[in-house]
Amino acid sequence: EIVMTQSPATLSVSPGERATLFCRASQSVRSKVAWYQQKPGQPPRLLINDASTRATGIPPRFSGSGSGTQFTLIISSLQSEDLAVYYCQQYDDGPPYTFGQGTKVEIK
Amino acid sequence: EVQLVQSGAEVKKPGESLKISCQGSGYTFVSYWIGWVRQMPGKGLEWMGIIYPGDSDTRYSPSFQGQVTISADKSNATAYLQWSGLKASDTAMYYCARVVVAPRDWSFDLWGRGTPVIVSS
Repeated sequence: EIVMTQSPATLSVSPGERATLFCRASQSVRSKVAWYQQKPGQPPRLLINDASTRATGIPPRFSGSGSGTQFTLIISSLQSEDLAVYYCQQYDDGPPYTFGQGTKVEIK
Repeated sequence: EVQLVQSGAEVKKPGESLKISCQGSGYTFVSYWIGWVRQMPGKGLEWMGIIYPGDSDTRYSPSFQGQVTISADKSNATAYLQWSGLKASDTAMYYCARVVVAPRDWSFDLWGRGTPVIVSS
């Protein structure tokens, strides 16, 4: 089973600043990584798949990059509504198609 | 509207059985895999398993194999998650979600709102 490790656990960022989230896979997953946003009391929402493709309706301030074992999600200019927990998921090898443990983004 | 509608909250006692549902609408239900994801209180997302409603091909995470049963009824566009003997540790929110485009992309692009399950004596 592939383990996805996210860092940091919590990120505190001022509005308008850049937030950088990391996800590392225990073995290569090529570009088969998705990122999700989960706001309090809501289900997750797909942000990015194939490591860098924004899902329908996702604003361009969200961008993903990486391949192999190292992946990054960047929120270029944090908005107050971006307060959420962000999860990465690999879907190269499974089942299970495992999730990371999440990064909580707080507004400073 | 394309959506997944999940059944309502459940409160059960240890040892009881339970079956929760996830009904798809607004798209061709039988053509997309549906997955189940567990979220225990205050915790992260856990991938449980998936089913293809077209032929009921089902795949489980080893962590959940034998603990739950995933099924589907294509005649009413509904997927199910069931337990035969609940434990307190099954207390969680359970989400169903639609797979993007298997086998190329197993991520989830459409989510239900979740079914909270509480197991307590």
